Amino acid sequence: AQSVTQPDIHITVSEGASLELRCNYSYGATPYLFWYVQSPGQGLQLLLKYFSGDTLVQGIKGFEAEFKRSQSSFNLRKPSVHWSDAAEYFCAASGGGADGLTFGKGTHLIIQP
Amino acid sequence: GAVVSQHPSWVICKSGTSVKIECRSLDFQATTMFWYRQFPKQSLMLMATSNEGSKATYEQGVEKDKFLINHASLTLSTLTVTSAHPEDSSFYICSAQGPGGGTEAFFGQGTRLTVV
Repeated sequence: AQSVTQPDIHITVSEGASLELRCNYSYGATPYLFWYVQSPGQGLQLLLKYFSGDTLVQGIKGFEAEFKRSQSSFNLRKPSVHWSDAAEYFCAASGGGADGLTFGKGTHLIIQP
Repeated sequence: GAVVSQHPSWVICKSGTSVKIECRSLDFQATTMFWYRQFPKQSLMLMATSNEGSKATYEQGVEKDKFLINHASLTLSTLTVTSAHPEDSSFYICSAQGPGGGTEAFFGQGTRLTVV
């Protein structure tokens, strides 16, 4: 069965420190991969996506993610977090075509002053 | 990027009544729309996929008679929660995909449904 795993439910990072959020997927073939951010009571904002090509993907707000086929991973990184980055982060995957997204359970990011 | 508008953003209804949620793609034609449900502090779960002019495809465990989906045009899909009960209270989010397929789907801002 297709699945997306985000092993960290909560992560606390000091403002200005670097960040890495983990995501692993289990799919029959290499899926399309996405990272979304959700603020409380809000919809989803796409941070970045990977379809093919360069395995290091740049996104908005200074985020990047690296696709590693050998590890079935698509980890999200940011070199220096800001207090405004505190939110819920979802990794998602799709088989393409008219497939809906399979979401991970999310990682709640807390920023310490 | 493309804009998807979802309405209403929140609704409170009495138990036993029906509620309709609209999802519109404002600046592109959405051949496929998706409906998700999100319980508090949990992830999003795909409920159904709808294609314009055809019946929706529901995920396993989703009652199609309770969650009626209509995708009558290329810019509008609706989700009707029939005979709503408190356990249907949730955050419902739609997304819309353009004719290219396999690419990014754009999300609405979500609808908070509270059944009292």
